[in-house]
Amino acid sequence: DIQMTQSPSFLSASVGDRVTINCKASQNINRYLNWYQQKLGEAPKLLIYNANSLQTGIPSRFSGSGSGTDFTLTISSLQPEDVATYFCLQHNSWPYTFGAGTKLELK
Amino acid sequence: EVQLQQSGAELVRPGTSVKLSCKVSGDTITAYYMHFVKQRPGQGLEWIGRIDPEDDSTKYAEKFKNKATLTADTSSSTAYLKLSSLTSEDTATYFCTTVGAAWGQGASVTVSS
Repeated sequence: DIQMTQSPSFLSASVGDRVTINCKASQNINRYLNWYQQKLGEAPKLLIYNANSLQTGIPSRFSGSGSGTDFTLTISSLQPEDVATYFCLQHNSWPYTFGAGTKLELK
Repeated sequence: EVQLQQSGAELVRPGTSVKLSCKVSGDTITAYYMHFVKQRPGQGLEWIGRIDPEDDSTKYAEKFKNKATLTADTSSSTAYLKLSSLTSEDTATYFCTTVGAAWGQGASVTVSS
């Protein structure tokens, strides 16, 4: 199985900060990586698909980059509504696997 | 826009089974693989498996192969997750999803005597 190592586990940042979250795959997954945002009590929401494609309706402050084994989700200017947990998912091969999550809080 | 509507919360006894449903609207169910994901309270997301409603083919994560069974009924546009031999470890919220933008609201399963 492909292991997804997500970092950091916890992140505290201020409004307006640039925030980066990383996922590292244990083997090459090409660009088959999605990023999701999950707020408390809600279903996950797709932010980025296939490593760098912004899902329709998602603010442009969110962006994704990477290919192969190393991927990054960037929030260019943190907003209060971005407080959530973020997960990556590899969908290159079965079984699909998620990163462990990054809990983002406001400083 | 495809939408997924899941069945309600379940309180079940240890050792029994439960079958959760996920109804697709806004598009044909055969247009998507339907995946199910587990989330224990306060924990991360685990991929359970997926079904292709077109041919009923399935893929499972190894740890769920003897726990979960995925089925689909194209006539009612509904996918199902059956969980068997339930223990407290199965207490969780279960989501159906296309793995894209469409997610169900989640179905809470509590296993307790």
